[in-house]
Amino acid sequence: GAGVSQSPSNKVTEKGKDVELRCDPISGHTALYWYRQSLGQGLEFLIYFQGNSAPDKSGLPSDRFSAERTGGSVSTLTIQRTQQEDSAVYLCASSLARGSGGRASTDTQYFGPGTRLTVL
Amino acid sequence: QKEVEQDPGPLSVPEGAIVSLNCTYSNSAFQYFMWYRQYSRKGPELLMYTYSSGNKEDGRFTAQVDKSSKYISLFIRDSQPSDSATYLCAMSFHVNTPLVFGKGTRLSVIA
Repeated sequence: GAGVSQSPSNKVTEKGKDVELRCDPISGHTALYWYRQSLGQGLEFLIYFQGNSAPDKSGLPSDRFSAERTGGSVSTLTIQRTQQEDSAVYLCASSLARGSGGRASTDTQYFGPGTRLTVL
Repeated sequence: QKEVEQDPGPLSVPEGAIVSLNCTYSNSAFQYFMWYRQYSRKGPELLMYTYSSGNKEDGRFTAQVDKSSKYISLFIRDSQPSDSATYLCAMSFHVNTPLVFGKGTRLSVIA
């Protein structure tokens, strides 16, 4: 079946511009995560959506970053007034997140291919 | 000190070798441990998933978790050139919560 998809695959922008990154999770997955992967830093958590609960925004690095998830499906990550240090690969993941947990079948986070953001 | 430490390599081995990858962590509250494989310009894909301490085997891959030492390992037997990728350890405190990743180890298996 279809996996997690992200668009665009590459985005080049100028410092100070706003950008929107899109994630389409696997159908039926209730949990959605955004991570950032930058050189030398590895993968870092940004924000997490679970069903209709308030999102966990504890990983967002500044108030220039925000995300929303419409209708429990598609998510958009917005970065306002981009800075050069925002250059990274932005990865989205989704998981089924149902049942009692503790099993790979329900807990596994499936990642999309990422959006490579370059801020000039 | 970062929560999860992982030697970035690069690690280069001949085809057929046994590969040992490992991570250490500082927070004893981690309960769920994973290894992801990431090919260049692709998203990470799950290789192994383990709850608490112990060993788990899947084909040529074995994952080990030693919670007393806060140390996890991934072994790859009979390594193949197709195993060349970056291997990321990841862990979480509870189910269905954000993962904390190591920086990844870049592995090259030479034919």
